[in-house]
Amino acid sequence: ETGVTQSPTHLIKTRGQQVTLRCSSQSGHNTVSWYQQALGQGPQFIFQYYREEENGRGNFPPRFSGLQFPNYSSELNVNALELDDSALYLCASSPPGTGVNTEAFFGQGTRLTVV
Amino acid sequence: KQEVTQIPAALSVPEGENLVLNCSFTDSAIYNLQWFRQDPGKGLTSLLLIQSSQREQTSGRLNASLDKSSGRSTLYIAASQPGDSATYLCAVSRGNTPLVFGKGTRLSVIA
Repeated sequence: ETGVTQSPTHLIKTRGQQVTLRCSSQSGHNTVSWYQQALGQGPQFIFQYYREEENGRGNFPPRFSGLQFPNYSSELNVNALELDDSALYLCASSPPGTGVNTEAFFGQGTRLTVV
Repeated sequence: KQEVTQIPAALSVPEGENLVLNCSFTDSAIYNLQWFRQDPGKGLTSLLLIQSSQREQTSGRLNASLDKSSGRSTLYIAASQPGDSATYLCAVSRGNTPLVFGKGTRLSVIA
């Protein structure tokens, strides 16, 4: 059983540029969520995808967008990068169902630095 | 709006000591609570998941308890080791809804 994998692990971008981060979910998991973690803070929810549809969104502007593919892998796109977008971006996958035992499994994260 | 608080923010203990990390949440209508470990600059490793109907979960030297009515959870680490040094995060959710995290407790275990 493969875990959650994210790419790239590190990225440096210039303010105003666009970036795409990728996530492969754990085998059998059809729900993918993205989180942003600033230094010294807990992760903040960006959005969630379930069966290729956005299924909830946190307090992030529209320049944060995403996709989920038929194999349940996902992309996070950020347009018009700002310095405050510098953070660790985490992807989590969870198994089907909405019951109590929906344990989330995280990837190793992508460290984005905007200069 | 759910808010999660973790106390203390940082903790330094000598090797071998037993320790307790605290997590509190404002809305008791949760389905489950997860404890995670995060090494510097890395992703999150799930340690324990406690369902709302459960009172505690154990894995090796780790024991997590949940008191849903009072909005509290504790993570107990027995016989701490330098390899336990990391940030520990707790998060709550209602089923497959987004996790709401605390800011974490940064633990240093001194050899």
